[in-house]
Amino acid sequence: EAGVTQSPRYAVLQEGQAVSFWCDPISGHDTLYWYQQPRDQGPQLLVYFRDEAVIDNSQLPSDRFSAVRPKGTNSTLKIQSAKQGDTATYLCASRRRDTANSDYTFGSGTRLLVI
Amino acid sequence: GQQVQQSPSSLVLQEGENAELQCNFSSTATQLQWFYQSPGGSLVSLLSNPSGTKHTGRLTSTTVTKERRSSLHISSSQTTDSGTYLCASSTGGNNKLTFGQGTVLSVIP
Repeated sequence: EAGVTQSPRYAVLQEGQAVSFWCDPISGHDTLYWYQQPRDQGPQLLVYFRDEAVIDNSQLPSDRFSAVRPKGTNSTLKIQSAKQGDTATYLCASRRRDTANSDYTFGSGTRLLVI
Repeated sequence: GQQVQQSPSSLVLQEGENAELQCNFSSTATQLQWFYQSPGGSLVSLLSNPSGTKHTGRLTSTTVTKERRSSLHISSSQTTDSGTYLCASSTGGNNKLTFGQGTVLSVIP
């Protein structure tokens, strides 16, 4: 089966610019996650969806970040006005909820540099 | 929320030596997963092991649920094992993984 696909691979922005990241999960995976991974740290959950519904966005900086998954398949994460502190790799993952202890599958990530 | 601590933060081995990585979590885990991340690469799932012992290839994971800890043993390390090993767990039925900060493994020839 195809894996989780993310684009773009890299993005370089100046502070204040906007950027969108796109994720195509594995077909049939109803749960989709966005993680932020600063350099030399573990990934930190930003938001996750079950189908098209947001289940938890408590760690998403809502003033500048937004995430949607309108048809329960692909998802977009957007940063409205980037800051240098947003420099990180943004990872998308998907999973099938109804499979006991099913693995989480991660995409290759989008590496964002804000200068 | 769930907190995950990994040790050591870094480890240097000679090729052929064994590695033991530790993961401690603050609440009983319903899911426990070990990942590998190559430098600049994505996360690859190694083992899902919420309790007991699991083996795959040269990897063995042992999770003691009531003590809230898990270990990953890598036998006969190879230079290609170099990278970051991440432990992640979730609690209850919330389906969201909390990650540790990782152990950076360097295997030298």
